[in-house]
Amino acid sequence: GENVEQHPSTLSVQEGDSAVIKCTYSDSASNYFPWYKQELGKRPQLIIDIRSNVGEKKDQRIAVTLNKTAKHFSLHITETQPEDSAVYFCAASDPFYGGATNKLIFGTGTLLAVQP
Amino acid sequence: DTAVSQTPKYLVTQMGNDKSIKCEQNLGHDTMYWYKQDSKKFLKIMFSYNNKELIINETVPNRFSPKSPDKAHLNLHINSLELGDSAVYFCASSSTGGNTEAFFGQGTRLTVV
Repeated sequence: GENVEQHPSTLSVQEGDSAVIKCTYSDSASNYFPWYKQELGKRPQLIIDIRSNVGEKKDQRIAVTLNKTAKHFSLHITETQPEDSAVYFCAASDPFYGGATNKLIFGTGTLLAVQP
Repeated sequence: DTAVSQTPKYLVTQMGNDKSIKCEQNLGHDTMYWYKQDSKKFLKIMFSYNNKELIINETVPNRFSPKSPDKAHLNLHINSLELGDSAVYFCASSSTGGNTEAFFGQGTRLTVV
């Protein structure tokens, strides 16, 4: 089955700097890669996603890149702000289930701390 | 207006007890899930239902029994609770078709003492 690895496990940056979180996946048939942000004590919420027919996607200060050949994808946050502090999870869809369900395999999470 | 809501938010119970968590979504989605988040924040899928039909059962102990009375509701019943069941349980939903956003409930923090 699909396996997702995520690095680093913790990341501390100064406000205004950029942050990059990297993930690798094992199943080359995976075709959907969402990123979730989870603030302390809250639910995970989607911040950006990318599908395998696209190499890069950007939404304001957040961007995701996908390298299908290398089977890795990355989250880039520019001009970080204290409110960006949270745990970030990457995920990959398990292609086995097709359209009936969307089984997401999550990475182990990255605790991002933005120092003011 | 809450999209995915689950109750209760907190649950403290003794070992050996039976407890249930309820989940409801008003997004019109056909697919619902239960995820478990352990103390290390690792998120792992437990079950998935599509239109009341069980699609995914991720080798979860038989003590865990999900039930979907209709496509807007997915409940989780846990028998004979053990210390290791302590975790945050998240309900989620998504539209059918795969590759779509999963919307999570606010979570239920289960503590078994």
